[in-house]
Amino acid sequence: AQSVTQPDIHITVSEGASLELRCNYSYGATPYLFWYVQSPGQGLQLLLKYFSGDTLVQGIKGFEAEFKRSQSSFNLRKPSVHWSDAAEYFCAVGNQAGTALIFGKGTTLSVSS
Amino acid sequence: DTGVSQNPRHKITKRGQNVTFRCDPISEHNRLYWYRQTLGQGPEFLTYFQNEAQLEKSRLLSDRFSAERPKGSFSTLEIQRTEQGDSAMYLCASSQLTGSPLHFGNGTRLTVT
Repeated sequence: AQSVTQPDIHITVSEGASLELRCNYSYGATPYLFWYVQSPGQGLQLLLKYFSGDTLVQGIKGFEAEFKRSQSSFNLRKPSVHWSDAAEYFCAVGNQAGTALIFGKGTTLSVSS
Repeated sequence: DTGVSQNPRHKITKRGQNVTFRCDPISEHNRLYWYRQTLGQGPEFLTYFQNEAQLEKSRLLSDRFSAERPKGSFSTLEIQRTEQGDSAMYLCASSQLTGSPLHFGNGTRLTVT
């Protein structure tokens, strides 16, 4: 079955510290992978995407993610977290045909000062 | 690019009433998606359109739910005989090409009392 797992429900990071959010997927076809961020009461904003090519992708707001096919993972990283990064983060998987994305349950990021 | 627009932002209704939500996608986007999101969960796919054709419906979309996109532009999602379990955020998204990222609106929050 196609699925996305985000093992960490809630993570707290100190401001200025590094961040890694985990994402594992199960998908039969070549996956298109996405990370979205959602602030309270808002829609989802795309942080970055992976379709093919270089397995390390850069996104907005200083985020990056690395696709590891052997581990079926697409972890999100940021070298130095800012208080404004506190939000909910969702990993999603899709395909070239553009059928609906499958989302993980999300990881809530809190940033402590 | 004015973004994806959803109306209303909030809707409170009594159980058994019918409700209708509207989504206006980004103008040049031919794909439109509806998702439902409950507290602490990731978005769950409901249905999507390519132009005016409804191409896929999730089994989550019971017969009380109906979606339309009559002229391939805006879309409506109607829920008949609402139940308390329908309380959720209903998100609309659009995309331009198959496999391209989804652009989300800010959602309509439905509360069924």
